[in-house]
Amino acid sequence: GNSVTQMEGPVTLSEEAFLTINCTYTATGYPSLFWYVQYPGEGLQLLLKATKADDKGSNKGFEATYRKETTSFHLEKGSVQVSDSAVYFCALLEQGAQKLVFGQGTRLTINP
Amino acid sequence: DAEITQSPRHKITETGRQVTLACHQTWNHNNMFWYRQDLGHGLRLIHYSYGVQDTNKGEVSDGYSVSRSNTEDLPLTLESAASSQTSVYFCASSEGAGVTDTQYFGPGTRLTVL
Repeated sequence: GNSVTQMEGPVTLSEEAFLTINCTYTATGYPSLFWYVQYPGEGLQLLLKATKADDKGSNKGFEATYRKETTSFHLEKGSVQVSDSAVYFCALLEQGAQKLVFGQGTRLTINP
Repeated sequence: DAEITQSPRHKITETGRQVTLACHQTWNHNNMFWYRQDLGHGLRLIHYSYGVQDTNKGEVSDGYSVSRSNTEDLPLTLESAASSQTSVYFCASSEGAGVTDTQYFGPGTRLTVL
């Protein structure tokens, strides 16, 4: 079946550091890929998405590129801020379906 | 503004009781979903609906039921609450117009079963 694997957390960085959160997936067909963010006490919000190979999603300084050859969708940001502290979820949308499959989430803490 | 709401936000109940969690969306979305969030598991799909009178089981549906009598609401019922159902529950909706639809999430309900 389809699955998503994220790098183990928690991740702690200093402000202005470079961020990478790894995400790899297993899927049949050609899924769409998403990054969702959950701030403390809130629901999930869409951060960015990519719908086909080589697409790059970007939002709020975050980027991720859909790499079919490595089945990856790593999240990157060049300079993180304290306000980026949250839990980040990688997810795929099964082709032909409307169901999301989530990774386990990565908790990110940014220290000033 | 259109939105998706959940109620209650927090609930404490006892083992064996029936509990219903409400989810209401004002986007007129066709698709609605229920997930549970547990440490180390991410979000897991409980039930989902593609429209009125349509319901489907997700990967962790045992002990849960849903019904869809209108577009706006998808209540989740725990028939006989168990301690293993202590979790945070999220409702989501999507338009249903295409395979790349974004899902929009509610704020969550924290359920504790004693």
